[in-house]
Amino acid sequence: DSGVTQTPKHLITATGQRVTLRCSPRSGDLSVYWYQQSLDQGLQFLIQYYNGEERAKGNILERFSAQQFPDLHSELNLSSLELGDSALYFCASSPSTGAQETQYFGPGTRLLVL
Amino acid sequence: AQSVAQPEDQVNVAEGNPLTVKCTYSVSGNPYLFWYVQYPNRGLQFLLKYITGDNLVKGSYGFEAEFNKSQTSFHLKKPSALVSDSALYFCAVRPRWDDNDMRFGAGTRLTVKP
Repeated sequence: DSGVTQTPKHLITATGQRVTLRCSPRSGDLSVYWYQQSLDQGLQFLIQYYNGEERAKGNILERFSAQQFPDLHSELNLSSLELGDSALYFCASSPSTGAQETQYFGPGTRLLVL
Repeated sequence: AQSVAQPEDQVNVAEGNPLTVKCTYSVSGNPYLFWYVQYPNRGLQFLLKYITGDNLVKGSYGFEAEFNKSQTSFHLKKPSALVSDSALYFCAVRPRWDDNDMRFGAGTRLTVKP
């Protein structure tokens, strides 16, 4: 158990809908990262937040957004969902922003868009 | 552009035999290198990382990895494989000057047969 929690574990929705994925980082960690894992794209970095502020963006679609709240939990919002958005979404956390820091991953949310 | 490659999609070994999962990278300078393992329906678990110093890094569950600068490789090894080591293994690379960009390889599925 990494100490990173994600809810829900599974999510089934329809195209065009909007969903919110939630992540609670390890106690004391200030950085939160979101990743998407799909069969064809592999593990892709989406976005990073540090202490409430957006720090870096990766391959995140404009239909997706995220935020980190004062209690450091983070939410990833996915809107106008398409079939291709079906994937595993992981959250990871680390103490700060150093490149040498280990990222600890949550169990993931499996999203199925029908 | 930086990249990381895991040249083998699948590695099969017999229980008790040594195992090697290969990783090569393309990043200027000396990057930080990581290995993660993913069991079915689970998140990624951190195994080990290379920051600096000794080229041989020891990690969790008896795994180790050797950083080879001249060959730009960071192969994961274990002297004696267990059936329970069967999982998906990911190599990741992060440049020292860019703490926002962690790139993962496509993953190698390790199967250890009794």
